[in-house]
Amino acid sequence: GQQLNQSPQSMFIQEGEDVSMNCTSSSIFNTWLWYKQDPGEGPVLLIALYKAGELTSNGRLTAQFGITRKDSFLNISASIPSDVGIYFCGSEKLTFGTGTRLTIIP
Amino acid sequence: NAGVTQTPKFQVLKTGQSMTLQCAQDMNHEYMSWYRQDPGMGLRLIHYSVGAGITDQGEVPNGYNVSRSTTEDFPLRLLSAAPSQTSVYFCASSYFLGESYNSPLHFGNGTRLTVT
Repeated sequence: GQQLNQSPQSMFIQEGEDVSMNCTSSSIFNTWLWYKQDPGEGPVLLIALYKAGELTSNGRLTAQFGITRKDSFLNISASIPSDVGIYFCGSEKLTFGTGTRLTIIP
Repeated sequence: NAGVTQTPKFQVLKTGQSMTLQCAQDMNHEYMSWYRQDPGMGLRLIHYSVGAGITDQGEVPNGYNVSRSTTEDFPLRLLSAAPSQTSVYFCASSYFLGESYNSPLHFGNGTRLTVT
C-alpha cells in the first residue's frame, strides 16, 4: 500500500510543553486523518482534513493539510497527562503511518 | 450505542489451530476492514469489504480469510495459526464514499492474539 512516513517515532516531553508531529508521503492524498490510541483501546479520530491548505483545530489540537497534498502536521499545545498515547496519521486509502508514541515525563 | 464490537478480547492459540475473530457494527457502514498492529509497524490492512458479498485483500492477507454475508458482520478467520500471527487485531468500519474519499474509520477495541 501507499507508504505514510510518520515522525518522530516517539517523543518524551514534560507536561505543559507543545508537541509537533508530521506525516509525509510520496503520493498525493485527498484526505488526511489523525487518530489517537490509548493503551488497550482502538484508535479514535481526532481531526479529519479534506482540503489542501486546510487548518483545523480541536481544542488544544491543531492539524494542517499540506499544500502539496503529500503531508500533514499535528500540533498539541500545553500537553497534559491524558495526551499520552500513540498518534497515527491516515489517508483515504486506508493506510496509516507507523505512529508517534507520546510519553509525558513527570 | 455499541459502535464496533470485537470478540474475544484475548485469545491464546497453539500453532496449527484455527479460530474466528468476530466483528460487528451497528452503524450501517458499508465499509469494514481488519488491521493487525505490531510494535513499530503501525496498523497494516489485512482484508476489507465495501459491502455485503464483496471482499478484497489488503497489505498482509496471507493466512487469513474473511467473508461478508451481512452489512453488520465481518469475521476474520485464521486457518492454521502461526507464531507470526501473534498480534493485536483491530476491526474498523466507515461509510464508503467511493475510491477517492473515505469517511473516517471507527475502530473496535481490539483482540489480542498469542500463538504459541
